[in-house]
Amino acid sequence: EAGVVQSPRYKIIEKKQPVAFWCNPISGHNTLYWYRQNLGQGLELLIRYENEEAVDDSQLPKDRFSAERLKGVDSTLKIQPAELGDSAVYLCASSLDADTQETQYFGPGTRLLVL
Amino acid sequence: SQQGEEDPQALSIQEGENATMNCSYKTSINNLQWYRQNSGRGLVHLILIRSNEREKHSGRLRVTLDTSKKSSSLLITASRAADTASYFCATTVSGTYKYIFGTGTRLKVLA
Repeated sequence: EAGVVQSPRYKIIEKKQPVAFWCNPISGHNTLYWYRQNLGQGLELLIRYENEEAVDDSQLPKDRFSAERLKGVDSTLKIQPAELGDSAVYLCASSLDADTQETQYFGPGTRLLVL
Repeated sequence: SQQGEEDPQALSIQEGENATMNCSYKTSINNLQWYRQNSGRGLVHLILIRSNEREKHSGRLRVTLDTSKKSSSLLITASRAADTASYFCATTVSGTYKYIFGTGTRLKVLA
């Protein structure tokens, strides 16, 4: 069974440019998470989806970040315009549902560098 | 300090030794999970311990939970070079679906 797939793996852009990340969760997983991880730091939850509904986006900087999960499967996370401080690894994770007993399965992440 | 702080931040040991990492948190929790992250990779789930459990084992891993002290420890016995990674604890706040990850412990096992 394929795990969580993310693309691209690496992205280098200049500040003020837009960027988008894509995530394909494990088949059948209803819950999808986007996290940001700064170098040497822990994970910060950006948004959580239950199927196609964003149920927790309290940490998402809505002035420049947006996300969608069409049809409750794949998801994209967009930054427009990117700033230097957005350089980080963006991790996508999925779980069967939102039950906190469920394991989250992580993708390899997208490493973003904003110059 | 933030929920889910690991201690120490970095640990370097010789192969065959045991490694102990600690996690402290602030709120009441549903459960606590430990994850491993190899360099440049995503996180891999290691073990989950529920709030009503005190100890759990999985292979060379032993996790303890002390809810009165709001702390957990992860013990890796007979460490191997392949155990070199960052280890994160993640707590789920009681009554919510909210996960909070700590800042991690970077473990280096020297061959």
